[in-house]
Amino acid sequence: AQSVTQLGSHVSVSEGALVLLRCNYSSSVPPYLFWYVQYPNQGLQLLLKYTSAATLVKGINGFEAEFKKSETSFHLTKPSAHMSDAAEYFCAVSDQSGNTGKLIFGQGTTLQVKP
Amino acid sequence: ETGVTQTPRHLVMGMTNKKSLKCEQHLGHNAMYWYKQSAKKPLELMFVYSLEERVENNSVPSRFSPECPNSSHLFLHLHTLQPEDSALYLCASSWGQGSTDTQYFGPGTRLTVL
Repeated sequence: AQSVTQLGSHVSVSEGALVLLRCNYSSSVPPYLFWYVQYPNQGLQLLLKYTSAATLVKGINGFEAEFKKSETSFHLTKPSAHMSDAAEYFCAVSDQSGNTGKLIFGQGTTLQVKP
Repeated sequence: ETGVTQTPRHLVMGMTNKKSLKCEQHLGHNAMYWYKQSAKKPLELMFVYSLEERVENNSVPSRFSPECPNSSHLFLHLHTLQPEDSALYLCASSWGQGSTDTQYFGPGTRLTVL
């Protein structure tokens, strides 16, 4: 079975500081991993995804994530936080067992950006 | 309209009511999904449709009944709900149902069951 764990339900950073949101996965097969962002009163929007090509994946809005097999991690980073980055972030792994497109999500991390 | 739209955005219903949630995608996708997002819990996949055929039913109670009349529309029919069914219901669509296909989400319907 595949799963993801997001460490830290709330992360607070100052504007201009580094953003680091942690995600660890468990998978018996090479995983496909996703980061989504959810702004208040909106649906989820894809930030980036890893599909076994380059291990460093660049996404929208200046975010990137690095796939590290040895650490079973896929942490999301952004060098400099902006007030507009305040949102909830979800890490997800694709369930490859049934070929139904099923995504397994983590609990989510709320990012707060302080001025 | 672009992307994935959902109506209504907010719904309050009693436990004996029958209501329906509607989702429409304008992306030409072939797969559509219903997710449930409850407070303090991860998003849960409820149903998957591919080319209007249900391919996944994730142990959802029968008081939730999906319908996919064509590849652009997805409904979730609700009846005899419980207060614990109060949640944000998200619809999503993707080109295919492969493991790497990106899912595009609608804004959700906030459901409150009294």
